[in-house]
Amino acid sequence: AAGVIQSPRHLIKEKRETATLKCYPIPRHDTVYWYQQGPGQDPQFLISFYEKMQSDKGSIPDRFSAQQFSDYHSELNMSSLELGDSALYFCASSSHLNREQYFGPGTRLTVT
Amino acid sequence: RKEVEQDPGPFNVPEGATVAFNCTYSNSASQSFFWYRQDCRKEPKLLMSVYSSGNEDGRFTAQLNRASQYISLLIRDSKLSDSATYLCVVNRNDYKLSFGAGTTVTVRA
Repeated sequence: AAGVIQSPRHLIKEKRETATLKCYPIPRHDTVYWYQQGPGQDPQFLISFYEKMQSDKGSIPDRFSAQQFSDYHSELNMSSLELGDSALYFCASSSHLNREQYFGPGTRLTVT
Repeated sequence: RKEVEQDPGPFNVPEGATVAFNCTYSNSASQSFFWYRQDCRKEPKLLMSVYSSGNEDGRFTAQLNRASQYISLLIRDSKLSDSATYLCVVNRNDYKLSFGAGTTVTVRA
């Protein structure tokens, strides 16, 4: 079965640079979620979108923004990167009819 | 205080053993409950949703106690491949998931 696709899988950036992470949800899923997982920590919710509208917001810094497009894929844009942004970024998707979220393989971002 | 508290373990068990662990959640408005497993440096994978009546999926049994606000997971006949971190996950009437810190299970031969 098709899963959530994330790209890139690994990304190395320098401080103050920008990064864009992409997420392609499971076909027919209409809701996308972004999570950040630091080393040794549990995933922290950043933001979610349902039918291209922001549906909920968590601990997402103002330097980050995200959107969901008409084909339901989503992009997380990160600017003025800081060392503390180094983490695994997971995208998950679900149908609004069912709260079960399925996670992509993640993007490992390293800020140097 | 975290919204979801988990027994951190680690639980080191021999193959074939039964292992069980719990988590508690603080928000009584929580509506959906899940167990995920996460292997090192990989994505959380949905193991099972947890229903009020309790549910079983093969060797895995999950229970939900709304009155006491705890969720349990029991693994029977443990396999080496069951070694992982098990995440207790709770969803209120919104979109985000709240994760526990995870329970580490190691099954030894």
